[in-house]
Amino acid sequence: GAGVSQTPSNKVTEKGKYVELRCDPISGHTALYWYRQSLGQGPEFLIYFQGTGAADDSGLPNDRFFAVRPEGSVSTLKIQRTERGDSAVYLCASSLTGPSVTDTQYFGPGTRLTVL
Amino acid sequence: GENVEQHPSTLSVQEGDSAVIKCTYSDSASNYFPWYKQELGKGPQLIIDIRSNVGEKKDQRIAVTLNKTAKHFSLHITETQPEDSAVYFCAPHNTNAGKSTFGDGTTLTVKP
Repeated sequence: GAGVSQTPSNKVTEKGKYVELRCDPISGHTALYWYRQSLGQGPEFLIYFQGTGAADDSGLPNDRFFAVRPEGSVSTLKIQRTERGDSAVYLCASSLTGPSVTDTQYFGPGTRLTVL
Repeated sequence: GENVEQHPSTLSVQEGDSAVIKCTYSDSASNYFPWYKQELGKGPQLIIDIRSNVGEKKDQRIAVTLNKTAKHFSLHITETQPEDSAVYFCAPHNTNAGKSTFGDGTTLTVKP
């Protein structure tokens, strides 16, 4: 079946611009996660949704970052006034039920964001 | 928050040899211990996991061992093959806290 998909695969923007990154989770998965991965590092947690609500947004670095999941399926990560330090691969993952010892996160291929 | 360290950061082995990667963590409440494999241009993929009430788990050529007292767990790959070449991440997790903390990864190269 279809896995987690993310669009676009690559996004180049200029400093100060606004960007939106989209994640389509596996159908039926109630939990959705966003991570940011810088070169040579592991994924860094940003935010986790359970259904439509953000259950934990403690990883969002500042108020320029915002994410929504209005219908409990597709999610959009929004970054305002982009800075060069925002350049990274943004990964999305989904899981069936949410954090538990029996729940597996399935990752998408990521969106590579480059801020010039 | 959780502090996670992986060692070594890079590992090169000959095809057929074994590889071992160690992950240490700080949160004694961690109860779930997965290992992910990430190939170039792809997202991480779960390859094996272990829960806090189990000391060892094996799946064909891959095994994970857990030492909760010492707060570390290890990934063991036997009979390595070139397709095992990738970056491997540990992500110890307190499932009551929600979020995962990933290590910085180990780049494994298997030479034919």
